[in-house]
Amino acid sequence: EIVLTQSPGILSLSPGERATLSCRASQNVNNNYLAWYQQRPGQAPRVLISGASNRATGIPDRFWGTGSGTDFTLIISRLEPEDSAVYFCQQYGRTPRTFGQGTKVEIK
Amino acid sequence: QVRLQESGPRLVKPSETLSLTCSVSGDSFKTYYWNWIRQPPGKGLEWIAYMHHSGISDYNPSLRGRATMSVDSSKSQFSLNLSSVTAADTAVYYCASLLPASAFDIWGQGALVTVSS
Repeated sequence: EIVLTQSPGILSLSPGERATLSCRASQNVNNNYLAWYQQRPGQAPRVLISGASNRATGIPDRFWGTGSGTDFTLIISRLEPEDSAVYFCQQYGRTPRTFGQGTKVEIK
Repeated sequence: QVRLQESGPRLVKPSETLSLTCSVSGDSFKTYYWNWIRQPPGKGLEWIAYMHHSGISDYNPSLRGRATMSVDSSKSQFSLNLSSVTAADTAVYYCASLLPASAFDIWGQGALVTVSS
């Protein structure tokens, strides 16, 4: 199976700053089928990005996805307090679908 | 707008079978592939399985054949049975939808199932 490794584990930033989250795959992700999810405390995850760079409906343009092959990045520009959450990457190019272990973003 | 709601026992004894049902409201039940995903407390996410109303299915090998899904299109529901559970199966279980070659786009609120005697 494809193992996804996310870094850093925790990111502590101030409002208005930019967050850069990394997701590295152990094998090439077919067709760049890589998604990013946001999970706020006590809530289900919600999809932010699919296909590595396509924002889901209703997701603010502060959220950007880039990357291809084995290296992917989620950028949150101009952090807001509501962005405090755990962010997971997930590949759906090959079965079994797998998730990264998550990056926690804390807003100071 | 599709909505998902998990239901089922929240406490299961070790070695028994965990059973959950996801009720789907809204249209397009026959369009989506229906999934189960779980998250142990404080940990990451693990995809368990998916099934389409046509019977097409796929399971995560990590469950070693313990997971079984079924779909009831007449009731717009789908279910998960997980046999021979242990404490390691304690988790929040989410149902979720997806379209072919896409991400999990709609999630239920999740159901915490505890395995304990």
